[in-house]
Amino acid sequence: QSALTQPASVSGSPGQSITISCTGTRSDIGGFNYVSWYQQYPGKAPKLIIYDVTSRPLGVSNRFSGSKSGNTASLTISGLQAEDEADYYCASYTGSSTLVFAGGTKLTVL
Amino acid sequence: QVQLQESGPGLVKPSETLSLTCTVSGFSISIGHYWGWIRQSPGKGLEWIGNIYNSGTTHYNPSLKSRVTISVDTSKNQFSLKLSSVTAADTALYYCARDKGGGGWTFDYWGQGTLVTVSS
Repeated sequence: QSALTQPASVSGSPGQSITISCTGTRSDIGGFNYVSWYQQYPGKAPKLIIYDVTSRPLGVSNRFSGSKSGNTASLTISGLQAEDEADYYCASYTGSSTLVFAGGTKLTVL
Repeated sequence: QVQLQESGPGLVKPSETLSLTCTVSGFSISIGHYWGWIRQSPGKGLEWIGNIYNSGTTHYNPSLKSRVTISVDTSKNQFSLKLSSVTAADTALYYCARDKGGGGWTFDYWGQGTLVTVSS
């Protein structure tokens, strides 16, 4: 299975919105509505922020939203805040009952 | 509150077997959910290793399948990872996590991670 593809880095200013893309294939993102997104701060474990493409766990800010079109999923963070500066990873369930991650995106808040 | 804690040797010699245990508290593995292992090489991204259900049903990353064994001990509320024939490429931070259920593999609770270095 091949890893999903994310941009290595994105940046934005406080208050702006940014979108991180995650590209896969028909065998993973395009074939299932099981895309998840994780936020990871340095030295910390990943935290689930989006699951099933668009759902947010309890306690996660509604500034985080997810979507999908074809083989590409996206994470949008609106009203960017300094605390959003972290690494973000997408993951997708696959047709082989496995899970594949992308390489991660480093978000810098300018 | 569900908590997971990884434990095991921090240093493993090349060609030997890496063994880690994840102890779960605040939730009984016997109730259900899949439980998984994920690793992160230094400065790199996340890699799914595999999942196990309380019945012992497993699913593994195809790229690691020939070397991985995940087992569960419901009496101790633990699950374990064994990775054989390790090389320096297996040096990583190893996390255990709980799949939230409902389809797909989505991890809602994570351990803090344990660093395993492969070196002679």
